[in-house]
Amino acid sequence: DIVMTQSPDSLAVSLGERATINCKSSHSVLYSSNNKNYLAWYQQKPGQPPKLLIYWASTRESGVPDRFSGSGSGTDFTLTISSLQAEDVAVYYCQQYYNTPLTFGGGTKVEIK
Amino acid sequence: QVQLVESGGGVVQPGRSLRLSCVASGFTFRSYGMHWVRQAPRKGLEWVAMISYDGSDKYYADSVKGRFTISRDNSQNTLYLQMNSLRPEDTAVYYCAKDSAPIRVFDSWGQGSLVTVSS
Repeated sequence: DIVMTQSPDSLAVSLGERATINCKSSHSVLYSSNNKNYLAWYQQKPGQPPKLLIYWASTRESGVPDRFSGSGSGTDFTLTISSLQAEDVAVYYCQQYYNTPLTFGGGTKVEIK
Repeated sequence: QVQLVESGGGVVQPGRSLRLSCVASGFTFRSYGMHWVRQAPRKGLEWVAMISYDGSDKYYADSVKGRFTISRDNSQNTLYLQMNSLRPEDTAVYYCAKDSAPIRVFDSWGQGSLVTVSS
């Protein structure tokens, strides 16, 4: 199984400042035949189901604000919120879809400082 | 818009069975794979099972293999999860989620159904 490890577990960022979340996979999720990284990011607000933010490591889902961006390749990935808004308070999860079982990182809780 | 509505959760004793349902609307259900994902109280997300668009392929997490069965009825736009031999560690909110074919990410989620396994 591919193990996904996120860091930090939580972070507090001032409004308007940058938030950076890291995700590391135990096996590369870069598929050589199409040069795509099989990595997605989700946002889960309190009391709500998760919401897909990004797939292919850097492609934003329709309707996701452009302050959210994803980067990285192979085994190391980053989700960046360029200017934190109050509505971004949530837990963020990475997920690999390179193979089954599909696996998630443990989550990173983002709060306002 | 896509809507997924789970039902069937509740409190059940260890060793007993429960069946979850998820009724889908707002998209062509028979054209998409579907998943169950669970979240234990105050914990992270765990993928449980997936079924292909026509029900011919099924995949399970090791933690539920042999105990849970995923199925679907495309004529009723409904996804199921039959859970047998339930254990306390199966206690979680169970979400059904739509596959974003052709890639296995979850582009729509239900609100979840709480299953509590306790004596």
